[in-house]
Amino acid sequence: AQSVTQLDSQVPVFEEAPVELRCNYSSSVSVYLFWYVQYPNQGLQLLLKYLSGSTLVKGINGFEAEFNKSQTSFHLRKPSVHISDTAEYFCAVVAGTASKLTFGTGTRLQVTL
Amino acid sequence: ETGVTQSPTHLIKTRGQQVTLRCSSQSGHNTVSWYQQALGQGPQFIFQYYREEENGRGNFPPRFSGLQFPNYSSELNVNALELDDSALYLCASSVSGSGETQYFGPGTRLLVL
Repeated sequence: AQSVTQLDSQVPVFEEAPVELRCNYSSSVSVYLFWYVQYPNQGLQLLLKYLSGSTLVKGINGFEAEFNKSQTSFHLRKPSVHISDTAEYFCAVVAGTASKLTFGTGTRLQVTL
Repeated sequence: ETGVTQSPTHLIKTRGQQVTLRCSSQSGHNTVSWYQQALGQGPQFIFQYYREEENGRGNFPPRFSGLQFPNYSSELNVNALELDDSALYLCASSVSGSGETQYFGPGTRLLVL
């Protein structure tokens, strides 16, 4: 079975500062990896995904993530955050031929002035 | 292109009652997945439907059931509601296949009293 760990439940950061949200996964088979963002009282919006190929993936809103197979990680980064980036961020994995998403518990990104 | 829609947006029920939640998938998508998101948690996979057949189920009891219709819209039914069923229920649609991106609706927030 696969699992996803997001070690940081909350990450406070000042506007225009860089940020990294950490995600580690566990799976005995090959995986596809996703980051979703959830704004208050809304559903999930896809930020980016890794299926294959280049390990550095660029997504919407200036976010990027790097797949590291040896460290089983898929950390999300942004060089300069905005107040509007305040939201809950979820890392998710699809393992092997399965089609269900397995989510982490989420990281609350709080951007302040 | 119409995205994933869900109805109703909010719902209040009492323990022991039954509830039906509805989801319209994105145009061109033939697969619908349902997730339960408890407060402060990541979404948990309930089940998935592909071409009107159940195509995978998470760790939820049989009182959680579903349907998918020929137009690929879907229903989630929950019988004998319990207080712990209070959560945000998310529907996601996708084109079939492992690794395909799942697009989420805004969710239905269910409160069981």
